[in-house]
Amino acid sequence: DTGVSQDPRHKITKRGQNVTFRCDPISEHNRLYWYRQTLGQGPEFLTYFQNEAQLEKSRLLSDRFSAERPKGSFSTLEIQRTEQGDSAMYLCASSFDTTYEQYFGPGTRLTVT
Amino acid sequence: GDSVTQMEGPVTLSEEAFLTINCTYTATGYPSLFWYVQYPGEGLQLLLKATKADDKGSNKGFEATYRKETTSFHLEKGSVQVSDSAVYFCALSDYGGSQGNLIFGKGTKLSVKP
Repeated sequence: DTGVSQDPRHKITKRGQNVTFRCDPISEHNRLYWYRQTLGQGPEFLTYFQNEAQLEKSRLLSDRFSAERPKGSFSTLEIQRTEQGDSAMYLCASSFDTTYEQYFGPGTRLTVT
Repeated sequence: GDSVTQMEGPVTLSEEAFLTINCTYTATGYPSLFWYVQYPGEGLQLLLKATKADDKGSNKGFEATYRKETTSFHLEKGSVQVSDSAVYFCALSDYGGSQGNLIFGKGTKLSVKP
């Protein structure tokens, strides 16, 4: 297994545009997490999935954000009507279950101009 | 809510120096504690963890002991190498109270000079 992968690695978009990121977790992992990391800060939890069910969303996840995990495999995170404050590194992590180690992907760096 | 506070960086050391990065936490339950490392251009990697009080996590010469009485999980290494240059994140997860998401500190950047 090659680990958690994310695509794209970098995205530059203009304010007001929609963007979508993809995360492919480690294949046998049931849990998938999304985090956001801004410059000089640690990652902050956004949302997580147990298989295909989205079980928790952070207050950081405004109505412009939506995440899916169809069939419990890959996940997508969409940001609608992007704002400059959305510029950040978006990290995906997966784990076998709640108490198991989370493996992180390389992240997608979003820049909103 | 739960939170993690770690010492501000950057920290600059000479090779073979002793390293300590302080980390304290606030949690209502009984969290598991972690140190993650982010090397330049790479993703976060788990360095070590401890799941209950007085546990010591260790890996690659790094150690940290879960101290419930002082709510601390300080990272130490006896002799750092240039290859240890990275950003180190302390984190907790309260498996009993939440769904396993990690709460991170702000990170401490370590630079080791030859």
